[in-house]
Amino acid sequence: GNSVTQMEGPVTLSEEAFLTINCTYTATGYPSLFWYVQYPGEGLQLLLKATKADDKGSNKGFEATYRKETTSFHLEKGSVQVSDSAVYFCALPLTFGSGTQLTVLP
Amino acid sequence: GAVVSQHPSWVICKSGTSVKIECRSLDFQATTMFWYRQFPKQSLMLMATSNEGSKATYEQGVEKDKFLINHASLTLSTLTVTSAHPEDSSFYICSARGFRGRALDNEQFFGPGTRLTVL
Repeated sequence: GNSVTQMEGPVTLSEEAFLTINCTYTATGYPSLFWYVQYPGEGLQLLLKATKADDKGSNKGFEATYRKETTSFHLEKGSVQVSDSAVYFCALPLTFGSGTQLTVLP
Repeated sequence: GAVVSQHPSWVICKSGTSVKIECRSLDFQATTMFWYRQFPKQSLMLMATSNEGSKATYEQGVEKDKFLINHASLTLSTLTVTSAHPEDSSFYICSARGFRGRALDNEQFFGPGTRLTVL
């Protein structure tokens, strides 16, 4: 079956640091890939997505590229802000990774 | 994006009682709704998928008689936790997929979740 493996947290960074959260997947075919963000006390929000190989999803300074050859969809941001503190989930359409807690310190 | 609401946002109940959680798509028609359960510091676990007007499809290990799902209209699905017990305490999240004039790109839109605590 499908599965998603993402980097375990928690991750703590200083403001303006570079962020990478690794994500790899196992799936049949070539499904869409997603990153969701969950702020404290809120539901999940779609952060970005990619629908086919080599697509790059981007939003709010975050990027992730659909790498078919490495079955990966790593999330990156060049300069994180305190407001980026949240839990990030990598996902296939109905299968989610375990989530990575990110805390950004001022 | 499209908006999904859940009600209530939190509920506390006694063991043995039943609790109903509503999930509504506010500005689009939800042909498919999903119910998830999320334990503290863990990922979302898909419980069931429901298509409007038909019976829900439950994931393996999810008791259909305990978690009753109704999706009677294109804007409303309900999850009823019957005879709730403390181990049912969790964060329940719904999501919806559908159309608003045209297909919403097969994207899931999530509700804010319902925190259930069973005493």
